Amino acid sequence: DQQVKQNSPSLSVQEGRISILNCDYTNSMFDYFLWYKKYPAEGPTFLISISSIKDKNEDGRFTVFLNKSAKHLSLHIVPSQPGDSAVYFCAAKQGAQKLVFGQGTRLTINP
Amino acid sequence: NAGVMQNPRHLVRRRGQEARLRCSPMKGHSHVYWYRQLPEEGLKFMVYLQKENIIDESGMPKERFSAEFPKEGPSILRIQQVVRGDSAAYFCASSPLPGPSSYEQYFGPGTRLTVT
Repeated sequence: DQQVKQNSPSLSVQEGRISILNCDYTNSMFDYFLWYKKYPAEGPTFLISISSIKDKNEDGRFTVFLNKSAKHLSLHIVPSQPGDSAVYFCAAKQGAQKLVFGQGTRLTINP
Repeated sequence: NAGVMQNPRHLVRRRGQEARLRCSPMKGHSHVYWYRQLPEEGLKFMVYLQKENIIDESGMPKERFSAEFPKEGPSILRIQQVVRGDSAAYFCASSPLPGPSSYEQYFGPGTRLTVT
């Protein structure tokens, strides 16, 4: 049972435009959500997080939105840059500290 | 300013051998987590440890896998009698003591295990 789902395996965006990555979850007990970015042959790098008591968190070019009623969150990157090309993972905290990850979305920024 | 360190980066084992993966957390971090990533999949939680304690091992296979985080030295993930299905990237993450930033886990570069 996949509790965190990223339904788009890949996304292609023009440089300078907005990238929107989506994530759905099924477990209403998740209380914290995180986005990670991963380059090939490297570990995931923490990007941004949001508590379940908030609906928006912003950090520079990155903004995460949480819609609890829809069990949906999204990551907006604006403006998109070539260095943003990577695989992005959505993750949710369950229990003490365990993270549950989605399958990832490969983002490609085209010049 | 060392991050999470893992070694080896690549490990090749024949079926039936033992694989031993090491992880040194970030300085000041006392919580260690192990995750496994199969090809084209997300990371799957395996085990959560603090120094000398296993806190949550709900993601660990019941047989052949074990983990420890001793008082001194790195955390070790041990896989005995490896099989081809164990081939994957194994990532270690660490976080500081409980607090406002404790939800953020910082990952190492991973160990890519190949079983031949």
